[in-house]
Amino acid sequence: AQSVTQLDSQVPVFEEAPVELRCNYSSSVSVYLFWYVQYPNQGLQLLLKYLSGSTLVKGINGFEAEFNKSQTSFHLRKPSVHISDTAEYFCAVRIQGGSEKLVFGKGTKLTVNP
Amino acid sequence: GAGVSQSPSNKVTEKGKDVELRCDPISGHTALYWYRQSLGQGLEFLIYFQGNSAPDKSGLPSDRFSAERTGGSVSTLTIQRTQQEDSAVYLCASSLVAGGGFFGPGTRLTVL
Repeated sequence: AQSVTQLDSQVPVFEEAPVELRCNYSSSVSVYLFWYVQYPNQGLQLLLKYLSGSTLVKGINGFEAEFNKSQTSFHLRKPSVHISDTAEYFCAVRIQGGSEKLVFGKGTKLTVNP
Repeated sequence: GAGVSQSPSNKVTEKGKDVELRCDPISGHTALYWYRQSLGQGLEFLIYFQGNSAPDKSGLPSDRFSAERTGGSVSTLTIQRTQQEDSAVYLCASSLVAGGGFFGPGTRLTVL
């Protein structure tokens, strides 16, 4: 069965600093990868996804992620964060050709301080 | 509507009562998913619909949980004889093709 590990439960950063949120997955078969953001008291919003092709994926709000198959990672990055990026970020994986379900990591709470 | 909607937004019920949670997916989306989000367990998959059939219901935690989808659109998640451990936010998502989904705002269920 596949699993997702988000190594940092909380990441505090200052405004305009770069940030990287780490995500590693475990799967015996090929996967699709996703990052979602959840603002307080709201549902999940898709930031970006990797299905195939270029391993560097650009998403909304200036975020990007790089799929690294050899390291089974899909880290999320933003070169300069804003206060409004404060939210919880979830990495998720779905196996190719199998169940449609997403398996989520435990989430990383990003807090951007002035 | 433009997005996935869920009702009610909040539901408080007494232990032992039955509850029904509703999901209206984005029009035309054939795939529909239910997830549960709780502090202790994070985000857990419950069930997946393709059209009106459920090819994957492996995440339903017990036989107290059931779900149906009618007309390839609205879905209802029913929890019978609710227990305190059922307290969570229940999230619905829909998608047109494979590749994640658009999530609704969720229903916060509190079982007293």
